[in-house]
Amino acid sequence: GENVGLHLPTLSVQEGDNSIINCAYSNSASDYFIWYKQESGKGPQFIIDIRSNMDKRQGQRVTVLLNKTVKHLSLQIAATQPGDSAVYFCADLGGGADGLTFGKGTHLIIQP
Amino acid sequence: GAGVSQSPSNKVTEKGKDVELRCDPISGHTALYWYRQSLGQGLEFLIYFQGNSAPDKSGLPSDRFSAERTGGSVSTLTIQRTQQEDSAVYLCASSLGANNSPLHFGNGTRLTVT
Repeated sequence: GENVGLHLPTLSVQEGDNSIINCAYSNSASDYFIWYKQESGKGPQFIIDIRSNMDKRQGQRVTVLLNKTVKHLSLQIAATQPGDSAVYFCADLGGGADGLTFGKGTHLIIQP
Repeated sequence: GAGVSQSPSNKVTEKGKDVELRCDPISGHTALYWYRQSLGQGLEFLIYFQGNSAPDKSGLPSDRFSAERTGGSVSTLTIQRTQQEDSAVYLCASSLGANNSPLHFGNGTRLTVT
């Protein structure tokens, strides 16, 4: 069935560098996307969302880009810090589904 | 304000026993979700409640799993005759229920079936 998936399971970056986490989706009816951050032992924490009528949205140190032509979503984290180490999930809601569909997640590792 | 609260945070049970997991959603949130997360995996949708509508149970893996939501607020997920493969973190989330409103998660209940 249609789902949301991530390209890379692990991403390692130097502290202070920018991070880009990618996500592909296949459901053409998707109209709402969310990025979550999950630290060990905690539930997923909302980071930023974007609706399908937008192609970019910025938050504090984070930017989400949506390319509907190729069905691609990315999360950019500027000047990564040790506290950014976590698993990042993209999730999709749309097409009549009641619940978010999550990918397996990307583990972001920050190297000093 | 208070977020989504789940209890217990950890539960160890013997195979074959029944367990109940509790979720207190954010006040005012009409939608409530249960997800399951196995070690190192993504989130698997289980069940969804919206207001007084019949719940969407399409994600429940077997008839040993059931959930209820009393008074449109607190929810309980019950697993009967637990099996070792039920071991996972069970996450609850709530939202305003409107289209395109984000889900807010609790910290989950880690269930271990021995």
